[in-house]
Amino acid sequence: SQQGEEDPQALSIQEGENATMNCSYKTSINNLQWYRQNSGRGLVHLILIRSNEREKHSGRLRVTLDTSKKSSSLLITASRAADTASYFCARPPQTGANNLFFGTGTRLTVIP
Amino acid sequence: DVKVTQSSRYLVKRTGEKVFLECVQDMDHENMFWYRQDPGLGLRLIYFSYDVKMKEKGDIPEGYSVSREKKERFSLILESASTNQTSMYLCASSSDRADEKLFFGSGTQLSVL
Repeated sequence: SQQGEEDPQALSIQEGENATMNCSYKTSINNLQWYRQNSGRGLVHLILIRSNEREKHSGRLRVTLDTSKKSSSLLITASRAADTASYFCARPPQTGANNLFFGTGTRLTVIP
Repeated sequence: DVKVTQSSRYLVKRTGEKVFLECVQDMDHENMFWYRQDPGLGLRLIYFSYDVKMKEKGDIPEGYSVSREKKERFSLILESASTNQTSMYLCASSSDRADEKLFFGSGTQLSVL
């Protein structure tokens, strides 16, 4: 499969706690992206990390990338009930085409 | 504000019907995509287009076709709908710049009875 794998499949935490989601992939990449999907809606881009970057921040989001292990993680700090959503990692194909391969997602529930 | 608009949020069709799903973007993007999303399977690419009248098969093109007659519009066609095509369909677009992100529509939940 060309899809990545997110881990865990589901995560439930209390508001204020940190949430960590992991993504593994199998091929070399130019970049890795993270998206968020509220229930029954389209996906929204959160952050992109390039292959020569190890860490990137955006507000309460921190993304790390370890190309030697072919893995990435998304950390959401000080979670809020509004962070409840599914989170997907995505990578472009090696061919250079413009599509993305998505993982199966992590369903995050933040309990108020 | 950038926008990708899918014509229907919910659609119910009968097996054997011809179904059209329409997607329009207002960002002058070169690339447009159709994905389907099923529980436990994530998003799978059906077709994409990098230019008007151009199309490329994705991972699961069987049973589908597409049309891109204008840059802003990308249509997904189910020639003869089947129950296994019941799914959430997501349209997306992106520019041709390197490392470009995808912009998604709100999705169409299609039920084939």
